Amino acid sequence: EAGVTQFPSHSVIEKGQTVTLRCDPISGHDNLYWYRRVMGKEIKFLLHFVKESKQDESGMPNNRFLAERTGGTYSTLKVQPAELEDSGVYFCASSRGRPSEKLFFGSGTQLSVL
Amino acid sequence: AQTVTQSQPEMSVQEAETVTLSCTYDTSESDYYLFWYKQPPSRQMILVIRQEAYKQQNATENRFSVNFQKAAKSFSLKISDSQLGDAAMYFCAYRSARSGGGADGLTFGKGTHLIIQP
Repeated sequence: EAGVTQFPSHSVIEKGQTVTLRCDPISGHDNLYWYRRVMGKEIKFLLHFVKESKQDESGMPNNRFLAERTGGTYSTLKVQPAELEDSGVYFCASSRGRPSEKLFFGSGTQLSVL
Repeated sequence: AQTVTQSQPEMSVQEAETVTLSCTYDTSESDYYLFWYKQPPSRQMILVIRQEAYKQQNATENRFSVNFQKAAKSFSLKISDSQLGDAAMYFCAYRSARSGGGADGLTFGKGTHLIIQP
């Protein structure tokens, strides 16, 4: 069974540019989560999809961030325009559904905004 | 809002010895879940162990066990017979039993870097 896949693994962009991160969850996992870790700080929840619907997007930092999940399969997280403080590691995770379930994480995308 | 505190940024243990990683949390909820995740250098986080708050019995997974003290809001991880492959960042995490309104995500501590000395 393939795990959660994220790409790119690294992205270096300049301030003001646009970047799109992609996450492919495990097949059959309706729940998809995005998290972010800014250097020196805790891993923070960004949002939660159930299939193609946003269940909880309370962690999205501002309207420069746009997440989509086309057809309830893969998800993208677009940052436009990127700012210096957006640098960090963006993790995606998926699960079948119950809150007590373990999450399967991807290896993350390291985003550096210069 | 819930918070999770890991007071040990780094811990070191000799191979085959036992080590305990501490975690405390703050919540006003009575129903929730607690997790320990391991993040090796590959960056992919892996669940080590989980505990449901309504269960008094401490969870155990092979060499990994927890000491869950609900009243004290403490959730420490004990690793017995430490192995070189246990070297990683360990994150304690909290998940509400509720859904929506910010409750869907895990709340993480800052992590403890565990070093295994051969």
